[in-house]
Amino acid sequence: EVQLMESGGGLVQPGGSLRLSCAASGFIFSNHAMHWVRQAPGKGLEYVSVISGDGGSRYYGQSVQDRFTITRDNSRNTFYLQMGSLRDEDTAVYYCARESYSGYDSDYWGQGTLVTVSS
Amino acid sequence: QSALTQPASVSGSPGQSITISCTGTSTDIGGANYVSWYQQHPGKAPKLLIFDVSKRPSGISNRFSGSKSGNTASLTISGLQAEDEADYYCSSYTTISTLVIFGGGTTLTV
Repeated sequence: EVQLMESGGGLVQPGGSLRLSCAASGFIFSNHAMHWVRQAPGKGLEYVSVISGDGGSRYYGQSVQDRFTITRDNSRNTFYLQMGSLRDEDTAVYYCARESYSGYDSDYWGQGTLVTVSS
Repeated sequence: QSALTQPASVSGSPGQSITISCTGTSTDIGGANYVSWYQQHPGKAPKLLIFDVSKRPSGISNRFSGSKSGNTASLTISGLQAEDEADYYCSSYTTISTLVIFGGGTTLTV
């Protein structure tokens, strides 16, 4: 059974940093690109970042470019989102998700972790 | 403002069929057959319903179907059930970004 479990969310002050983790199980982790998707309170979904299966390719949304870094450790079946220079507007539930073989969708999602940026 | 346009809300009665539209441009929906649809119940993670415009993942009811015409994609839910009440999001490949884009979401009331 495919499972994704996020951790690391919490309350952080504006300008601060936080690292999210997503532990994966139930599939060959290195065969899949992985996504971070966020949802601000009462708002819609927004792709934040994606990393290829071997970690060699990484892409970011414009709103987080140069502030967030996505990485993965295939030996630990885990990938990460290092968030820096956090702003109020980064407050959201952050979901990790697996990219399907079709390449343009997320077929399995974690339960989400809440990040609150506030002083 | 979302890159893909969805109606804010739709409603239907049990047993009826409804269709949710998702309108983009020739640089996204109209440019390739990579449209997906997700269902999200309150407080839950999104769930993939449709990928590649009209394909259903294993385990998804055939009451859910997807289609596309030009720059507009559609999700049709037939035989509405109470548990279909949720938010629905479309997403699409786009030529102007390396990341997939979402619609703003549609709340379905049954």
